[in-house]
Amino acid sequence: GENVEQHPSTLSVQEGDSAVIKCTYSDSASNYFPWYKQELGKRPQLIIDIRSNVGEKKDQRIAVTLNKTAKHFSLHITETQPEDSAVYFCAASISGGATNKLIFGTGTLLAVQP
Amino acid sequence: NAGVMQNPRHLVRRRGQEARLRCSPMKGHSHVYWYRQLPEEGLKFMVYLQKENIIDESGMPKERFSAEFPKEGPSILRIQQVVRGDSAAYFCASSPNDGEKLFFGSGTQLSVL
Repeated sequence: GENVEQHPSTLSVQEGDSAVIKCTYSDSASNYFPWYKQELGKRPQLIIDIRSNVGEKKDQRIAVTLNKTAKHFSLHITETQPEDSAVYFCAASISGGATNKLIFGTGTLLAVQP
Repeated sequence: NAGVMQNPRHLVRRRGQEARLRCSPMKGHSHVYWYRQLPEEGLKFMVYLQKENIIDESGMPKERFSAEFPKEGPSILRIQQVVRGDSAAYFCASSPNDGEKLFFGSGTQLSVL
């Protein structure tokens, strides 16, 4: 069925280090892959997204890579800062009939140690 | 442009009562999605609606749960005869395009006593 797996579930890094979060998806027809950041008690917010016709996308310290053949995509955060600490969710679009919805991974709790 | 508005932020119900959660999408957005989030879990898709139509309710329990998005007014997620297992954060999101760039509301934290 429709499934998005996300690893690791928790990640602790030192300030200034890089962080990488990986996701795999099951629906080969998925063509849109966003990443959301959720701070404690707040709403998920879109931080970056990528479409299937692109292999990599960067926005300042964050980047996303996509491997359609292997059906996996990754979030890379460089020069991490304490304010990057949050839960990060990946998602993949699932299409079927009249619907097009996002299926989310289970989240990664990122802790950036000062 | 106001964001996605959800109310109430917190809702406490006793077992057997009804819960009504409201969501007003961003201006210009006609696609509304409801997700449920349990502690330390991801966002679970429940239902996708457009004005006056349920497009996909495959993630919503068949019993006790219903959703609507009328021509006028907010989208409503209704849970009848709530049980303790319904306790969760319920997030609404809206999109200008089908299934992409979802903008989330602040969520409703439902607690069932």
